[in-house]
Amino acid sequence: ETGVTQTPRHLVMGMTNKKSLKCEQHLGHNAMYWYKQSAKKPLELMFVYNFKEQTENNSVPSRFSPECPNSSHLFLHLHTLQPEDSALYLCASSHGMNTEAFFGQGTRLTVV
Amino acid sequence: GQNIDQPTEMTATEGAIVQINCTYQTSGFNGLFWYQQHAGEAPTFLSYNVLDGLEEKGRFSSFLSRSKGYSYLLLKELQMKDSASYLCANPNTGKLIFGQGTTLQVKP
Repeated sequence: ETGVTQTPRHLVMGMTNKKSLKCEQHLGHNAMYWYKQSAKKPLELMFVYNFKEQTENNSVPSRFSPECPNSSHLFLHLHTLQPEDSALYLCASSHGMNTEAFFGQGTRLTVV
Repeated sequence: GQNIDQPTEMTATEGAIVQINCTYQTSGFNGLFWYQQHAGEAPTFLSYNVLDGLEEKGRFSSFLSRSKGYSYLLLKELQMKDSASYLCANPNTGKLIFGQGTTLQVKP
């Protein structure tokens, strides 16, 4: 148990579907992150939220839409994805912006 | 800009010592993290160095040289369960940027 919970753990979706990934942390952290992890590639930072405000969008396509309703919850809304978007999507949180990040178990996404 | 380099793969023998290197180039420095990630699992925090020198934590130690842009993770008395990917990461202006990770295979 890492303190950061992601649901679902696995997701298969078609290219025309709309789905959402959910991340929840009860560690009292102020910053939350979405990362993408593809095979043989580094963890890629997608979005950063600090105190519910988005502070970073790392040139992510608009078919990925984040939402942070409060400091404990983070969503990633998915729409008209491509097969190359299949990857492990990891959520993380940290107390501050330059402190240790705690990761969730990730959502394994397959786009068919 | 920011660039982090690690070897892609390493192999070592159970009971041995292995050193995983990480070099980085960054416009701002706020420390250097090491994470461990087993296949199919979340990365977990191992160490954080912000000052030069060696920090020891049980079987794992981490070293940092800021002037050389260099860090290493030292794993002693290797166990089979140490087979995993080891990621170094640099926090820069609120973004935790990771290297590609080093996949370590421990053999009997």
